[in-house]
Formats: sequence, C-alpha cells, structure tokens
Amino acid sequence: EVQLVESGGGLVQPGGSLRLSCAASGFTFSSDWMHWVRQAPGKGLVWVSRINSDGSMTSYADSVKGRFTISRDNAKNTLYLQMNSLRAEDTAVYYCASGLPLDYWGQGTLVTVSS
Amino acid sequence: QSALTQPASVSGSPGQSITISCTGTSGDIGRYKFVSWYQHHPGKAPKLMIYDVSTRPSGVSNRFSGSKSGNTASLTISGLQAEDEAEYYCSSHTSSSTRVFGTGTTVTVL
Repeated sequence: EVQLVESGGGLVQPGGSLRLSCAASGFTFSSDWMHWVRQAPGKGLVWVSRINSDGSMTSYADSVKGRFTISRDNAKNTLYLQMNSLRAEDTAVYYCASGLPLDYWGQGTLVTVSS
Repeated sequence: QSALTQPASVSGSPGQSITISCTGTSGDIGRYKFVSWYQHHPGKAPKLMIYDVSTRPSGVSNRFSGSKSGNTASLTISGLQAEDEAEYYCSSHTSSSTRVFGTGTTVTVL
C-alpha cells in the first residue's frame, strides 16, 4: 500500500524558516517524480514545486521561487521542502504527492505563519 | 501561472449526470494531454480520478469520464451518488514545465 506521510509543519513567525518532510513507502520512490501542493484555509489547491526521480530537475511556482527549495533523499525514501523567508500568505496545509500525474497524496501538514 | 477556471459549484439529483468545465490557455490545457482531475473530501487526501484527459486509474468508477476540446477540459459524473459530494479540481502541465490547478468546484448532490 502506498503511503505518504508529511511532517514538520507548525507555527513560525514571518521571515522564519521551516523544513517539511514526506516519508514514502509502498512504491519505488526513487523512480517517481514528487510534488508539493498547498491549500490555504478556505482556498483551493495550489501547486508549489516538483522534483524528478534523481533530483536533477526541479521547478517552482512563481510565488515561492527563490524562497523554497525542494529536494529528496532516495536512500531514505524521503522528500523535503525547505521554506525560507516565510510570509503570512504561505499559511496552508502542505501535501506531498507522487508521480506524473499526482496519483498518490499524503494527508498534509499544517504550516501557520504568524507573529 | 493563473489558476485554471472552474465553476464554483455544480449540483444534481441522485442518478443525474453533471459536467464540470475547466478552462485554461493554449499554454496549458490547449497544448498538452496531461490534464488530470482530483476529488477532495475535506480533511482527507485528494484522490486522482482522471489523468491524461480521459484515463481512469484502476479502482475509479466508470461513472467518471473526462474529455478535452481546445483550451477547455471537462469532467462528467454520471449516475450521481451521495458519495460524489466533494470538491473537484482539474490540473494541467504547463509550457513553463510547472503544473497548475483549477479554482475548484463544489459538487452537491441534492
């Protein structure tokens, strides 16, 4: 059974940093593209970033480019999202998702940016 | 990277068919076959319902079907059931090698 479990969310002040993790199991993690998608309170899904299977290709939404960095450790079956210079508008539930298309999703982790 | 445009809400009675539209541009839906649809119940993980415009993943009911014409994709749910009540999102690959989601549609079963 495919499982994606996000962690690392929490409360952070504006300008602060946070690193999210996504532990994957039940599929060949090292063969799949991976994504981060977020959903602000009361809003829709918004794609954030993606990374290819070996980590050599990444892309980002304009709203996070230069502030967020996606990475992966295939030996640990784990996806990461390093979030710097956080803003109030980054407050959201962050989901990791696997594959092209995004065929499996985690339950999400809540990030709250507030003073 | 503007969101794809979906109607805010669509409703239907049990057994009826409904269609959700998803309008993009020539740089996303109009250019690629990589259009997918997701069902999202509050508090749960989103679920892939359709990919590559019209392909259903294993385990998804054949009551769900997808299509595309020009810059607009559509999801049709036939034989509407109470369990189909959820938020639905379309998504497409873009010419910037990114991905974009739709604004989301709330489906209500009357």
